[in-house]
Amino acid sequence: DAKTTQPTSMDCAEGRAANLPCNHSTISGNEYVYWYRQIHSQGPQYIIHGLKNNETNEMASLIITEDRKSSTLILPHATLRDTAVYYCIVTGTASKLTFGTGTRLQVTL
Amino acid sequence: DVKVTQSSRYLVKRTGEKVFLECVQDMDHENMFWYRQDPGLGLRLIYFSYDVKMKEKGDIPEGYSVSREKKERFSLILESASTNQTSMYLCASSLWRVNTEAFFGQGTRLTVV
Repeated sequence: DAKTTQPTSMDCAEGRAANLPCNHSTISGNEYVYWYRQIHSQGPQYIIHGLKNNETNEMASLIITEDRKSSTLILPHATLRDTAVYYCIVTGTASKLTFGTGTRLQVTL
Repeated sequence: DVKVTQSSRYLVKRTGEKVFLECVQDMDHENMFWYRQDPGLGLRLIYFSYDVKMKEKGDIPEGYSVSREKKERFSLILESASTNQTSMYLCASSLWRVNTEAFFGQGTRLTVV
């Protein structure tokens, strides 16, 4: 699985868009980009994933650059409940997900 | 509603005890995983299983074993618990394909004293 690099922490004002970046410059053609988040004291929760096209669901949008070497998770209107650690994972296998240390997003009033 | 259920939310065990952590999923998933999570280290994969009676070591299997006798159940075993196994343990499951999501349990916080 390709290695990912994320900022350690970010702040966002409530109601604003939160844009969380992820670098994955060694990504292979068959590897997907996944995003999970972990709210304090809970298990990780799936958010979204994509291969090369931008994706949107009820939780977030995923923007993947054309060369696929980086991506951005967008929470369009962040709320206090979005405060969590966000993990970007790149994988081409079903066998395991390798979690890094993620980005700690703090949403403030 | 899909569910991964871990048998205990909190557990306190003594050094040297044999400890069983149980995980059950109701989604007929082929893959099941055990992770541990420690501050500053993120989630680290201990073992995973892609079918009944099949298992593979993850990144930190030392001191652990697993059992998968039925598709829906995946057990993590600490043969002789030690204080350095005090941690949050997370179970997950997924379908056997790449383009899919994993579902996690709420975690078991194990303290070994």
